[in-house]
Amino acid sequence: DSGVTQTPKHLITATGQRVTLRCSPRSGDLSVYWYQQSLDQGLQFLIQYYNGEERAKGNILERFSAQQFPDLHSELNLSSLELGDSALYFCASSDDRGLKDGYTFGSGTRLTVV
Amino acid sequence: AQKVTQAQTEISVVEKEDVTLDCVYETRDTTYYLFWYKQPPSGELVFLIRRNSFDEQNEISGRYSWNFQKSTSSFNFTITASQVVDSAVYFCALSPLTGANSKLTFGKGITLSVRP
Repeated sequence: DSGVTQTPKHLITATGQRVTLRCSPRSGDLSVYWYQQSLDQGLQFLIQYYNGEERAKGNILERFSAQQFPDLHSELNLSSLELGDSALYFCASSDDRGLKDGYTFGSGTRLTVV
Repeated sequence: AQKVTQAQTEISVVEKEDVTLDCVYETRDTTYYLFWYKQPPSGELVFLIRRNSFDEQNEISGRYSWNFQKSTSSFNFTITASQVVDSAVYFCALSPLTGANSKLTFGKGITLSVRP
């Protein structure tokens, strides 16, 4: 157990639908990162939050949004889903900048859009 | 902009062979971190090592060793006496050491297959 908890582990949904992926960071970590892993694009950074505030944005579609709550857990919302959104979504957490123990990844949520 | 290139896409070796996974990076940052992660068939990402740009000393951990050469912007990973359990996808990654943005930029990954 890495200490980063992602739920659900698997999700199957239809095109056009909306889903929410949840991430609880490792105890003490203030930064949360979301990554998308697809076969053609590899591991792509989506967004980072630090202590509740958005810190960096990557190639995140406008249909996707995220937030980090006061208890530091984070949610990634994916809407108007398309077949191409099928991927493995990882959450990672770190102390600031991954100085102490690097970045710890959750086991991922596998999203299948049918 | 940061970029990580893992030119090898798939490598297949026989157990007990040594294998080196190459990683070349590009960054305008003068200080940065380099990482290697392992993704076994089960799918999770396992942290292997982090090096900062100040430290060019090679590192050895059991059968694993890493060679960081700033002059060639490379951070190569060698597995000595490979085992079947080493079969996985290996990712090299880069992040800035300073500044607000601490995201990881990953290479495309190298699929390593170790045959018995």
